[in-house]
Amino acid sequence: LAKTTQPISMDSYEGQEVNITCSHNNIATNDYITWYQQFPSQGPRFIIQGYKTKVTNEVASLFIPADRKSSTLSLPRVSLSDTAVYYCLVGPPINNNDMRFGAGTRLTVKP
Amino acid sequence: EPEVTQTPSHQVTQMGQEVILRCVPISNHLYFYWYRQILGQKVEFLVSFYNNEISEKSEIFDDQFSVERPDGSNFTLKIRSTKLEDSAMYFCASLRGADYGYTFGSGTRLTVV
Repeated sequence: LAKTTQPISMDSYEGQEVNITCSHNNIATNDYITWYQQFPSQGPRFIIQGYKTKVTNEVASLFIPADRKSSTLSLPRVSLSDTAVYYCLVGPPINNNDMRFGAGTRLTVKP
Repeated sequence: EPEVTQTPSHQVTQMGQEVILRCVPISNHLYFYWYRQILGQKVEFLVSFYNNEISEKSEIFDDQFSVERPDGSNFTLKIRSTKLEDSAMYFCASLRGADYGYTFGSGTRLTVV
């Protein structure tokens, strides 16, 4: 399983765009990149998943460069409710794969 | 939106007692998981389950732990003889297949006293 590196914490203000970058230098050919969000005392929540280039959904965008050794989760116009821990996971989307969580990035959005 | 349901939300037990944590995964999902999170620490993988058998387990998942899918809907985690260090949030997750991401339940907070 590819090891990931993320910033421990980030601060932002309401209305700003937030970009959280994850490094995964030893990503394998069949690995996907998946981001989760976790609020205190709740289970992680799937945000977005991608393999290459750019993926966008109603919540976020995921940018993956051609070498796939990093990825950036982009949250447009954050609000106070986006304060949470964000996890980047890398692994093959095979049937019985387990996902190993790192320490994540603690995002604090300030008014 | 379909949910993974976990019961109870909070359980307090005495050290040495057996506990069973229950989960109802999303009905058309095929792969099931248990994770735990000790307060203030990262989410840790315990075990994955597919086709009625364990497919992978971590070093945490020792002989004190077991999982079962006793019927078509429930997925349980049993801790045979709880220890103080088993106190944590336990999350069940299920997966439909590739490219979808895991759906986690809201967790069971286990407190061992």
